[in-house]
Amino acid sequence: GQQVMQIPQYQHVQEGEDFTTYCNSSTTLSNIQWYKQRPGGHPVFLIQLVKSGEVKKQKRLTFQFGEAKKNSSLHITATQTTDVGTYFCAIHKGEYGNKLVFGAGTILRVKS
Amino acid sequence: EAGVTQFPSHSVIEKGQTVTLRCDPISGHDNLYWYRRVMGKEIKFLLHFVKESKQDESGMPNNRFLAERTGGTYSTLKVQPAELEDSGVYFCASSQDNQGPGREKLFFGSGTQLSVL
Repeated sequence: GQQVMQIPQYQHVQEGEDFTTYCNSSTTLSNIQWYKQRPGGHPVFLIQLVKSGEVKKQKRLTFQFGEAKKNSSLHITATQTTDVGTYFCAIHKGEYGNKLVFGAGTILRVKS
Repeated sequence: EAGVTQFPSHSVIEKGQTVTLRCDPISGHDNLYWYRRVMGKEIKFLLHFVKESKQDESGMPNNRFLAERTGGTYSTLKVQPAELEDSGVYFCASSQDNQGPGREKLFFGSGTQLSVL
């Protein structure tokens, strides 16, 4: 079953509003990745977080990794219509640690 | 540099038929993964190849699914016989193991939309 919980499942915002999606794990993570999938498209890697408490920014996107390395968030400031899509967090599992397991994803819709 | 390519982009088959999906990873990528997304839900892991060897096939639903990667280059995923619940988007991804295990970023293909009627 799913090993990382992601919320919310769906969010519909007005253009210009902020958006946040959260991922939580019951176990300590070595790292966490974030991907974006546009409607009809394929997942595209956004970023990887490795260090406890790490914060990384990509333009209007801010990614955080919790101090305990059990949770992470993606925050978009002042959403634009180009931000629509599904945002997934993903963690490495498996005997060799290279099986990437995805969260359920958060679908973002932006009203202009 | 060419990305991950998948063929076909769409496939519509009847229940009981056989379908073979193909994936060509980025050249030089030893790791190849198959994933499936059903009805807009989560992206579920199917299996992982390292070169020609199956390292993890824990996500394969049942023995109707067979994946191969002869010669460690392209991979095929065959579904035989197909059932209604097999419908979904099948994604292939590849990665280059140059950051250590558990840190690779995956490059995804555009996927194959499979519809079983």
